[in-house]
Amino acid sequence: DAGITQSPRHKVTETGTPVTLRCHQTENHRYMYWYRQDPGHGLRLIHYSYGVKDTDKGEVSDGYSVSRSKTEDFLLTLESATSSQTSVYFCAIKGQGNTGELFFGEGSRLTVL
Amino acid sequence: KQEVTQIPAALSVPEGENLVLNCSFTDSAIYNLQWFRQDPGKGLTSLLLIQSSQREQTSGRLNASLDKSSGRSTLYIAASQPGDSATYLCAVRPGANSKLTFGKGITLSVRP
Repeated sequence: DAGITQSPRHKVTETGTPVTLRCHQTENHRYMYWYRQDPGHGLRLIHYSYGVKDTDKGEVSDGYSVSRSKTEDFLLTLESATSSQTSVYFCAIKGQGNTGELFFGEGSRLTVL
Repeated sequence: KQEVTQIPAALSVPEGENLVLNCSFTDSAIYNLQWFRQDPGKGLTSLLLIQSSQREQTSGRLNASLDKSSGRSTLYIAASQPGDSATYLCAVRPGANSKLTFGKGITLSVRP
């Protein structure tokens, strides 16, 4: 258990509304990631962070923004949600040391109507 | 660009069978490879991680091997049980600070 908590775990919202998903970790890991998982596409990286205020884009970053003002929290924001952003969102952290082992949260299921 | 393939997409076996799940990758220059398990509606659980300098890793009934030259990794599950039913994903990390590239997973069903 890498001490990762995602919230909310489930959310239903309407097209055009803003949505923020939160990832909280308790073990001071430097690297944090946001993925989405969709049938037929597998896991795709949205954004990642390599430290406080240090973030970068992944392969499917359009329509998403992130912020990391504290080591323990990594926020994913959909400024104006669309139906194509209906998905399961996973936060992950890279463990300490040189192995680069990745640990995942339980996921946040988002439905955009 | 690294691509990771897992075939077949689904597999059904009777309980007690020893089985092998395959993972292929296109670029042999990797830093490490990680196997995950995902139960329905849950997150990914890390099973085994193999560094590029290693040939295999073992954890209980699981054994993962790595052959970089052929671009292959296998996950061996001994004496399968219904509780092993899940989706198994492999992911490759090209460099120490590179992002993982995931396969789409193999959904395993172990019949009692």
